[in-house]
Amino acid sequence: NAGVTQTPKFQVLKTGQSMTLQCAQDMNHNSMYWYRQDPGMGLRLIYYSASEGTTDKGEVPNGYNVSRLNKREFSLRLESAAPSQTSVYFCASSPGLAGGNYEQYFGPGTRLTVT
Amino acid sequence: LAKTTQPISMDSYEGQEVNITCSHNNIATNDYITWYQQFPSQGPRFIIQGYKTKVTNEVASLFIPADRKSSTLSLPRVSLSDTAVYYCLVGDVGYKLSFGAGTTVTVRA
Repeated sequence: NAGVTQTPKFQVLKTGQSMTLQCAQDMNHNSMYWYRQDPGMGLRLIYYSASEGTTDKGEVPNGYNVSRLNKREFSLRLESAAPSQTSVYFCASSPGLAGGNYEQYFGPGTRLTVT
Repeated sequence: LAKTTQPISMDSYEGQEVNITCSHNNIATNDYITWYQQFPSQGPRFIIQGYKTKVTNEVASLFIPADRKSSTLSLPRVSLSDTAVYYCLVGDVGYKLSFGAGTTVTVRA
């Protein structure tokens, strides 16, 4: 049981390049999330998927797109990377948020640098 | 969006109890209070969750007063390995959660 896995672990991009961050979970969770964490800051929600087939914007969605490929996988795409997107990206999953009760399980993160 | 306020940092010594208070004046009726721990270069890890009164697990205790406008995470007998950032979260409809800046707890020998 690997939990939440993310690939790649590290990535360096040039301004304007595109890339997709991959995330998969093997806990049969309904909800999945993408966060970014800038140095010395808390996590900010980029996008989330409450259940398979649905996605919604979080706090900082501009410059990103997501795809909930199936129940296990949730990818984050940067179409045209900018230096302001240099950050650590975390994927998380949770069983679901029914009744406001939630516990999220996080992946190890992807460290992205845009030059 | 239920906003939380917690101290930026706290210092402690090994063997002491650490109490971190989080203020959440706009908590909604259905919201739960959840605390996470994050070590450097790792993703956050769930510690404890509660709705009201007191919750205890093998790691921590969570105290929530009747008005639920604040909560206190209690870490008993901390060790050096408890040095981390601790986040207080309050549930929000639409799954739009905010971790805030958290409280950096430093445990010294």
